[in-house]
Order: sequence, then C-alpha cells, then structure tokens
Amino acid sequence: GDSVTQMEGPVTLSEEAFLTINCTYTATGYPSLFWYVQYPGEGLQLLLKATKADDKGSNKGFEATYRKETTSFHLEKGSVQVSDSAVYFCALTEGTSYDKVIFGPGTSLSVIP
Amino acid sequence: DAGITQSPRYKITETGRQVTLMCHQTWSHSYMFWYRQDLGHGLRLIYYSAAADITDKGEVPDGYVVSRSKTENFPLTLESATRSQTSVYFCASSSSGVHNEQFFGPGTRLTVL
Repeated sequence: GDSVTQMEGPVTLSEEAFLTINCTYTATGYPSLFWYVQYPGEGLQLLLKATKADDKGSNKGFEATYRKETTSFHLEKGSVQVSDSAVYFCALTEGTSYDKVIFGPGTSLSVIP
Repeated sequence: DAGITQSPRYKITETGRQVTLMCHQTWSHSYMFWYRQDLGHGLRLIYYSAAADITDKGEVPDGYVVSRSKTENFPLTLESATRSQTSVYFCASSSSGVHNEQFFGPGTRLTVL
C-alpha cells in the first residue's frame, strides 16, 4: 500500500542553519504531495504542496520539489529561525479518493538561538 | 469566531464511559474529517464526511461513531472508551476533499483511565 517515510528526529539546529527534512513515498499512481507544519499546542497547517512531477512548492522560505524518479519530496530552508520550531509532516494523496491521505510520522525540529 | 473549533480541549474519562468530542467550522466546507495522532503513527483517519448526512469510515473507525446532521458540525463519539483510545484528536475541514488544503482544529487531548 501507499506509504510515507520521513526522518523522525528530533532535529536540533542553530538559528540560521540550513534545514533538510527527508521524505520519500511509495504510491501506485500519481500522488499529490504535501508538507504540513504543527506548532506547539496547535493543529496542523498546510505549509506547501506539489501536484505533479518536478513541481516545486514554496512558502515562508521553505521549498520542496516533487521528484518522481527518486519518489522524494524533501523539505528545505536556507536559514531557519527559532520560530520554525515545530513538527513537520509529509503527506500524500492519490487518485480521486476523498479519504486516501497518508501522513508520515512527523519530524520534530528545534531551533536554538 | 471564524474557523474550526474543537471542544473540549482536554478530557479525562474512565474506561467504559461514553465521550463525545465536538467539532464546528464556520466556512461551510463540504468535507470534514476526524484524525487521531499517536506517537510514531502520524495522523490516522478515523471517519470523514463529504456532506451533511454522508459519512464514511477511514483507516481506524472501530470504537467510534460520527454523525453530521448540519454542515458545520461533525461530532465524534466514543461509545465505550478504552485505554487504547487515549490520544490527541484532530478535526479538519476542506472545501473539496483531501487533494486541497485541509484546515485543522486545535485538537482535543483525551485520556482514558
């Protein structure tokens, strides 16, 4: 079945460091890919998404490129801030199913001053 | 308040009791979802609804009941709570299913003793 694998962390970085959170997926068709972010004590928020191969999603300095050849959707940011401390979830949906969204286990990020 | 709200935010109950978690959204979104979040599992879909009076099972529906008599409300009931249902529960809504952005509520932390 479909699945999402991501590094679980926790990841600890100093402010202004470069961030990469790896995400790979397994899917039988052509999924849409998402990154959601969960700040402490809050629900998830959509960070960015990509719907087809080679698309790049970007938001708030974060980027991720849909790589079909490597089945990956790695999240990157050039310079993290303390306010980026959160849990990041990679997710995929596929086909026309209303309910078929698969979330990864989440990666906890702590950014220290 | 505009948005999606959940109540209660925290709940402690005992094994065997019935518990209802409430979810309310003000956007008139057609789709609503219930997830549970457990360490190491990411989010798992319990039930979803495509419209008022239309509901369907997700990945982990056993032990839960939902209803949707009005578009804006989507309560989740644990008919006889068990310790394995201790979790954080998130409600979400979307204008057109999982391929578009889902908007999440702040979550309900449920503890079953």
